[in-house]
Amino acid sequence: SQQGEEDPQALSIQEGENATMNCSYKTSINNLQWYRQNSGRGLVHLILIRSNEREKHSGRLRVTLDTSKKSSSLLITASRAADTASYFCATVPRGYSTLTFGKGTMLLVSP
Amino acid sequence: DAGVTQSPTHLIKTRGQQVTLRCSPKSGHDTVSWYQQALGQGPQFIFQYYEEEERQRGNFPDRFSGHQFPNYSSELNVNALLLGDSALYLCASSRRQDLNYGYTFGSGTRLTVV
Repeated sequence: SQQGEEDPQALSIQEGENATMNCSYKTSINNLQWYRQNSGRGLVHLILIRSNEREKHSGRLRVTLDTSKKSSSLLITASRAADTASYFCATVPRGYSTLTFGKGTMLLVSP
Repeated sequence: DAGVTQSPTHLIKTRGQQVTLRCSPKSGHDTVSWYQQALGQGPQFIFQYYEEEERQRGNFPDRFSGHQFPNYSSELNVNALLLGDSALYLCASSRRQDLNYGYTFGSGTRLTVV
């Protein structure tokens, strides 16, 4: 079963704008990860945030985690057309070592 | 350094047949997990192998089975294929002790059951 829910399901923006995606999950976690998938192919790991962290940055990516609300957000700043993809959040539930994915957000960045 | 390699890339099978998908993990990784991704959905966990044993399993029937070899590579077998088994099958590798590192995924095998 899906652990989390991403919001929105789809997002369409112009190049240069920021894109924000949200994720909610249901159980206690070890960490939360964000992945990108282009055209239904393999997933690429973007960033991981541990359960005791609140914010993390990597290049144009910023991730926040609120364990009290069981939610996370991914911000992509200054979006590029090449950022067009599906983005998934995935959690590693406490006591497990496997990923549980949400349904993803489809991001379209227009030139 | 090669990442995760999956074969074949695409596969078409007939209902009732059996299929075997293969995965070679990233160098240095000892754990292999398999996921099924239906069109428009997020990946669903099938099972995970470590030290040649199935360690965790998702909500999939016994028709789905696997194996891990001493060189850490893995196979996913599906028996008695159903139309609903059509999906992208993803293999992910990791290191057992590195719970706080991201997984490395292969490009997947697209299985179509007709």
